[in-house]
This record gives sequence, structure tokens and C-alpha cells, in this order.
Amino acid sequence: QKEVEQNSGPLSVPEGAIASLNCTYSDRGSQSFFWYRQYSGKSPELIMSIYSNGDKEDGRFTAQLNKASQYVSLLIRDSQPSDSATYLCAVNETPLSYQLIWGAGTKLIIKP
Amino acid sequence: EAQVTQNPRYLITVTGKKLTVTCSQNMNHEYMSWYRQDPGLGLRQIYYSMNVEVTDKGDVPEGYKVSRKEKRNFPLILESPSPNQTSLYFCASSPSDRNIQYFGAGTRLSVL
Repeated sequence: QKEVEQNSGPLSVPEGAIASLNCTYSDRGSQSFFWYRQYSGKSPELIMSIYSNGDKEDGRFTAQLNKASQYVSLLIRDSQPSDSATYLCAVNETPLSYQLIWGAGTKLIIKP
Repeated sequence: EAQVTQNPRYLITVTGKKLTVTCSQNMNHEYMSWYRQDPGLGLRQIYYSMNVEVTDKGDVPEGYKVSRKEKRNFPLILESPSPNQTSLYFCASSPSDRNIQYFGAGTRLSVL
């Protein structure tokens, strides 16, 4: 059974600090990795995608991928109360597949 | 505006009464998918479709049906709903050249 694991949280971070969210996956052949943000009662929205080892930065967000250790992380710098949400990690097995394996999500709370 | 539209947004029904949740996308995406989301379980895929007249089961297909007669529409059918199908449902679509899924606003279903 291919799995994506996330700590359910809640993860509480002071406003202005760095929030660090982690995700591990079981299938060593996984190719594509995504972070989605989901506000309570709303639909998931893509915030980052990463396909190769290393870091990818987009504004206050940085995704980090380490295929050897099978983990992907999301860093949020200068955390804002509006970042409070559940963050879902999703992993795609092969470039030709649309199927995503989803983690259950980490709830992030930014304290003013 | 590019979007995935689900209807209805909220639905309360009784056991055994057939219902259909509609999903339509205006982005000419090939891939469409239905998920259900339950607390602590994350997103679980019900059915997906790679293109018109091509559908396949996801992880939790029991009790559901789908059809893909047109590229833009992908309705979810519950022939005989049961209380364990009470959940939050999301439709998503993805273009053929990028495995990034765009979600509808969700349908909250309660089966009494």
C-alpha cells in the first residue's frame, strides 16, 4: 500500500516565525510532489510543486525534496495568520499518471 | 473565468433516494476525478476519468457511479445513498500536460 504520511498537528507557530511542514512517502519511484493548502470548509488549492531534489522557492514558500530519504517539506517564512490552514501533501507515482496519493494533512495555526 | 463547478453545494437526503452531484469544468481538461474527504482520512479518490467515455475506479468506488459523456462534465451518482456516504465531496480536473489538479468548491452531503 503506497502511503503519504503527515503529522496531523495542530502545529502552532508564532506570527513572523518560520513554519516547517513535513511529509514522507513510501514509494521510492515517486516523481512529482505537491503541497496544497485547504482552509476550513474550502477546497484544496495548489501552492507548490516540486519535481527534483533540492529547494524550490516561491515568495514566502520553499519546498524541499529529498528523494533518497523520501521526504518533502514546506517552509513558510514570515508566517501570517492568513497562513492558518490545513496543508496537504500529494505525491504522483509516475509522470504518465494523473493519480495522486494524498496525505491526511497537517493543521497549521499561526498565533498573532 | 477558469473553474470547476459543482452542484449542489449542500445536500441533505434520506437513505435510498438516488441523487446526482454534477461537476463541470471550462478548461478543456482531459482528466477529471471525484474525491471524498472525511475527518482524519484526507482525500480519498472515488472515480476518475482520463477522457470522454474512459472512467476507472479509485480507492473507494463502492456505492458510486460516474459517467463521462462530454469532456466538460463528470457527474457523480449515488444510486442508493447510505449514511456512511455522508461526507464532503470534491471534483477536480487536470490538463494533460501538467499533473496539477484544480478543485471545485465542494459538496457537503448528509444522508439521514
